[in-house]
Order: sequence, then structure tokens, then C-alpha cells
Amino acid sequence: QSALTQPASVSGSPGQSITISCTGTSSDVESYNLVSWYQQHPGKAPKLMIYEGSKRPSGVSNRFSGSKSGNTASLTISGLQAEDEADYYCCSYAGSTTWVFGGGTKLTVL
Amino acid sequence: QVQLVQSGAEVKKPGASVKVSCKASGYTFTSYYMHWVRQAPGQGLEWMGIINLNGGGTTYAQKFQGRVTMTRDTSTSTVYMELSSLRSEDTAVYYCARDKWTFDYWGQGTLVTVSS
Repeated sequence: QSALTQPASVSGSPGQSITISCTGTSSDVESYNLVSWYQQHPGKAPKLMIYEGSKRPSGVSNRFSGSKSGNTASLTISGLQAEDEADYYCCSYAGSTTWVFGGGTKLTVL
Repeated sequence: QVQLVQSGAEVKKPGASVKVSCKASGYTFTSYYMHWVRQAPGQGLEWMGIINLNGGGTTYAQKFQGRVTMTRDTSTSTVYMELSSLRSEDTAVYYCARDKWTFDYWGQGTLVTVSS
């Protein structure tokens, strides 16, 4: 099972919007509506930000949104804030009770 | 509130085994599955496997098959992950995470260091 493909880094200025892509295959991202996104600050456990492609857990800012097209999922953060600077990981169900993560994207708020 | 509290850091020698625990509270333990995920220093998240907390059935990532064992104790609401034949590349933070077709709650992580 190969890792999902994410850009190593993205950056944006406060107030701007950024999008992080997550490319998988027909065996994972494309086949299931079970892509999730996690935010991880240094030294902390990951935090669920988006699940089932586009749903936000209670308490997560509506500045975070998710979408999917074919074998690529995307996380968009609008109105960037300094506190959004973190690593972001996508994850997809890959069938047969297995899961696969992306390699992670470091977001820098300039 | 849902809490997953993991055991403390471990230092092991190459070839040894390590057993990490994850004690759950704040929800009905057997109504969910639990994942184990690891993160090597400076690296990304890696899915290791999942255990059904009701029946105990497991699915492991191919990479870890034969070396990892996940178990649970329903009387104490605790999940265990044992990794054997440790090598330096297994040095990582190991997380448990509750499954709800996603990873909705995470433990604080357990650092396992493999060093001679």
C-alpha cells in the first residue's frame, strides 16, 4: 500500500487561502468517500479537521473545508491565521479494513 | 469526554519487544475499533493496524504482519500494541486512535526508542 501523495510544503500570508492536495489511486481515494484530514502541531498528537471528505467535527473552524475529485482530495484553509501553521496529513480508507496516510504537508504562514 | 491515555516512554534494545497500552474512557469501549499509528522522528504518519474492540479481530498493515500484535482487555477498557524484533528504524512515537470510519480521538503518543 503506497502512501498518498501530498506536496511537501505550502505557504500563504495571513488572510489568504491555501489548498493542499492529496492524490491517491482508484483503490483508495477514488473508491471511497472516506478521506480525512489531520492537523499536527510540533510535539502534539494529530487533530481531526475534516472527515468523510468534507465534514467538519464539532469545534473545527468553518475556515477549513474539504473536497474530492476523482483520485484527488483537497483541503482548503481560508482566512489564514498564524495558528494554522502546522503539518497537515490526509488519510483514506483503502478497502479490506486498511488505511493509508499521505506523506504530510508543512504549512507556513508568512 | 473521550480520553485515550497511553503508557510512558520506553527504551529497548534491538531484537527486543515492546508493549504499549492505551486506556480508553468516556465512551462505550466495545462499540468502536481502535487504530495504531506511528511517526518516526521528523517523518509522517504511518498506519499500523486496527482492532475490533468487541470481537478482538485485527487487521495489520502488510509491513508489520508477523511482528505486531494488537489485543484488548474489555474489563479495563485498555488496548495493547506489541511490536517484536525491534530495530533502530522502529524508533518512533506510537499513537492509538479511535475509529469511527476516521481517526476521531487520539492518545498523547508513546515514544519508543530502540538503541543498543
